[in-house]
Amino acid sequence: DIQMTQSPSSLSAYVGDRVTITCRASHTIGTYLNWYQQKPGKAPKLLIYAASILQDGVPSRFSGSASGTDFTLTIISLQPEDFATYYCQESYDVPRTFGQGTKVEIK
Amino acid sequence: EVQLVESGGGLVQPGGSLRLSCAASGFTFRSYWMRWVRQAPGKGLEWVASIKQDGSEKYYVDSVHGRFTVSRDNAENSLHLQMSSLGVEDSAVYYCARDGGIYIDGRYFYYMDVWGKGTTVTVS
Repeated sequence: DIQMTQSPSSLSAYVGDRVTITCRASHTIGTYLNWYQQKPGKAPKLLIYAASILQDGVPSRFSGSASGTDFTLTIISLQPEDFATYYCQESYDVPRTFGQGTKVEIK
Repeated sequence: EVQLVESGGGLVQPGGSLRLSCAASGFTFRSYWMRWVRQAPGKGLEWVASIKQDGSEKYYVDSVHGRFTVSRDNAENSLHLQMSSLGVEDSAVYYCARDGGIYIDGRYFYYMDVWGKGTTVTVS
């Protein structure tokens, strides 16, 4: 199975900060990588698919990129509603593994 | 409105069984792969099972293989997860999700674009 390693596991940031979350795949997965946002007590929400394509309705301050087996989720100018946990997920093969999550907290 | 609504969660003793259901509405259910994803308390997301549009292909995470069975009723727009031999490690919120996707440059990219609110299973 493909393993997905996210870093950091948590971070603290101010409103307005630029935030970067990284996800590394154990095998080559091309751009078969999705990002989700989850707020406490809520279901996950799709943010980005195919490594860099924003889901409809997702603010443009979110972006995704890929370089080899490394993937990055960037939030420019963090907003209060962005404080949440973010998960990457490979969609290359079954079981479509998730990363362990990155919790973004208010500093 | 596109919607998924789970039901059937509850408290069950170790070794017991439970059947989860997911009612779909607002989209052509029979056209999509569907999946179950779970989240143990304070933990991350874990894919549990997937089922093809016509039910002809099913996949499971190793930890539930042989204990859980995913099924669907396209006439009723419903997805099910029959769980047996439950252990405390199966305690989680169980979400059903739609496997959406898109063709880009000849390749198909899957993603879970619609989620239910989840149903809680407690094994104790």
